Amino acid sequence: QQQVKQSPQSLIVQKGGISIINCAYENTAFDYFPWYQQFPGKGPALLIAIRPDVSEKKEGRFTISFNKSAKQFSLHIMDSQPGDSATYFCAASINYQLIWGAGTKLIIKP
Amino acid sequence: DADVTQTPRNRITKTGKRIMLECSQTKGHDRMYWYRQDPGLGLRLIYYSFDVKDINKGEISDGYSVSRQAQAKFSLSLESAIPNQTALYFCATSDPGSSGANVLTFGAGSRLTVL
Repeated sequence: QQQVKQSPQSLIVQKGGISIINCAYENTAFDYFPWYQQFPGKGPALLIAIRPDVSEKKEGRFTISFNKSAKQFSLHIMDSQPGDSATYFCAASINYQLIWGAGTKLIIKP
Repeated sequence: DADVTQTPRNRITKTGKRIMLECSQTKGHDRMYWYRQDPGLGLRLIYYSFDVKDINKGEISDGYSVSRQAQAKFSLSLESAIPNQTALYFCATSDPGSSGANVLTFGAGSRLTVL
């Protein structure tokens, strides 16, 4: 019940396309859903986050869509750029604890 | 300087050796964490500390120990390293602040190889 399932494991998108990464959870007590971005040789860094009382949050080209009834949330990257190539992690939080998805390696082809 | 500094960045050691990974932070955060990253498994919590006198086990603490020497310093030790502890290790800090969101700031990682 504490798992966060992330898909796909890897994704290749053409420059200018839309990248979509999906996550699903079981525990309805989770109250905070962040996405972290990790470049090679670096630690993950917070990209965007959402709380379950909101269905969508947009920051620039990055959007989180949140479906509370389906217990799913997704990251959409519009107009994907080569600089977006990285590993993306979704997570779900309750109190202090973050439960992480397994990560998605995104490659944007020029 | 980085907000969260990990040393060493890379280490190769042999089975049975004692290894210490060090973490220091300038964020002024009370909460510090040690994570392990393996391909396809995401990030798994080893230990966490909410202040100098508070140490807690995470989901994969077996074979590891930690020391919180000061608010700014949190070390991870492998008393007797084994090959399946070969992984990328991350230190992180957080401060929920007024928003209550537990935003983590990560170090650059320490890559450990146990032969």
